[in-house]
Amino acid sequence: AQSVTQPDARVTVSEGASLQLRCKYSYFGTPYLFWYVQYPRQGLQLLLKYYPGDPVVQGVNGFEAEFSKSNSSFHLRKASVHWSDWAVYFCADASSGSWQLIFGSGTQLTVMP
Amino acid sequence: ETAVFQTPNYHVTQVGNEVSFNCKQTLGHDTMYWYKQDSKKLLKIMFSYNNKQLIVNETVPRRFSPQSSDKAHLNLRIKSVEPEDSAVYLCASSPDWGYAEQFFGPGTRLTVL
Repeated sequence: AQSVTQPDARVTVSEGASLQLRCKYSYFGTPYLFWYVQYPRQGLQLLLKYYPGDPVVQGVNGFEAEFSKSNSSFHLRKASVHWSDWAVYFCADASSGSWQLIFGSGTQLTVMP
Repeated sequence: ETAVFQTPNYHVTQVGNEVSFNCKQTLGHDTMYWYKQDSKKLLKIMFSYNNKQLIVNETVPRRFSPQSSDKAHLNLRIKSVEPEDSAVYLCASSPDWGYAEQFFGPGTRLTVL
C-alpha cells in the first residue's frame, strides 16, 4: 500500500544551523509530493511541492527539497534555521491521483537558541 | 480574503451530545476534505467531497457525517460524541481531484468530557 515515512519524530537544531528533514515514499509511479508545515495551534501550510521535473524544488522561507527516485526520498532542507521555524513538518504524497493525500507521521522541529 | 475558514475554534462537550463544525472556502475550489488529527499529530482523512461524489473513509464511525449545501461549504456533524473523538478536525480544499495541493483551515479543537 502507498505510504509515506518520516523516520525522525523529533529533530533539534541550533538557530543558524542547517537542517534536513527526511521523507521516504513508497509509490512506484509518477511522484507528486509535498511538504507542509504546521505551526502551533494552526492548520497546515504548504511549503513546497514537487511535480515531475527538476528534482530540486524551492519553497517559501528558504526551504528547498530534493526528489530522488533511486532512493524513494523527498528530503527537506534549509541552510540556516530561524527560531520561527519551530513547528511540525509533514511530508505528503498525492502520486496515486486518487482522492487521498497520504501524509507521513510528521517531524517536530525544535530550534535551540 | 481567500482562504479556508472554520468555526468554532474550540468546542467542549459531553459524551453523547451532538456537535457540528462549519467549513467554508473562498478559493473557488471544487473539492473539500475533512481530516482528524489526533494528540500525536497523526492526520487521518475522513471524507472527500467534490459536489458530485462523496467518498468516505471506511474506518470512520457512522456517527460522523458530512453536510454540504454547495461546493464552498462542507460541514461535519458528529451525532453522539465519544471520548475518542477528542481531536483537532481540519478542513481542506483543493482545485481538483488527484494531484493538486490542498489548502487547510486553522482547525477546530474538540474536547469530549
